[in-house]
Amino acid sequence: AQTVTQSQPEMSVQEAETVTLSCTYDTSESDYYLFWYKQPPSRQMILVIRQEAYKQQNATENRFSVNFQKAAKSFSLKISDSQLGDAAMYFCAYRTSGTYKYIFGTGTRLKVLA
Amino acid sequence: SQTIHQWPATLVQPVGSPLSLECTVEGTSNPNLYWYRQAAGRGLQLLFYSVGIGQISSEVPQNLSASRPQDRQFILSSKKLLLSDSGFYLCALLKAGGPLDTQYFGPGTRLTVL
Repeated sequence: AQTVTQSQPEMSVQEAETVTLSCTYDTSESDYYLFWYKQPPSRQMILVIRQEAYKQQNATENRFSVNFQKAAKSFSLKISDSQLGDAAMYFCAYRTSGTYKYIFGTGTRLKVLA
Repeated sequence: SQTIHQWPATLVQPVGSPLSLECTVEGTSNPNLYWYRQAAGRGLQLLFYSVGIGQISSEVPQNLSASRPQDRQFILSSKKLLLSDSGFYLCALLKAGGPLDTQYFGPGTRLTVL
């Protein structure tokens, strides 16, 4: 069975600095998707970034980028120029291509210090 | 674009009482729909997902059930609530294929069982 592990329950970063959140996963599949979701205090889940496993190029969305290491089954999220509004719970998620089931990690709470 | 509605937003129920949470979707057709539960300080637990009217897959055996009477309606129910049912319940949709091949979440329902 697939699993997603986020080993950092909480992280802190100074405003304007860069922070990296870790995520590892376990699967025997070769075609899948990986996601990072943000959950601010409002509890609304927001998609931050997604990565298709068949793509070698790392996905980027403005200040957010990923380091996808398929062989190592690692999918970290880098937030550059951190802003106060980035403070939230961040969840890593996995889905096998062609299926409908998502598997989420337990989340990392990010604090941004002014 | 698609919109997900959930109600009620907040609910306080006594142990042993019934439950009905509703999720409706606008702006899309034939979505895959999901119910997740997020317990305090924990990740997202997939409860049910549905690929069409009347088609429900259960991920966790418990006292909850789900139904999909219409294409854009997904209902989470219980005949008798337990204390352990407290949590934040999220409805989500997946529109497979193309740029919408990503899961989107509703605003959630906070359930407290006393």
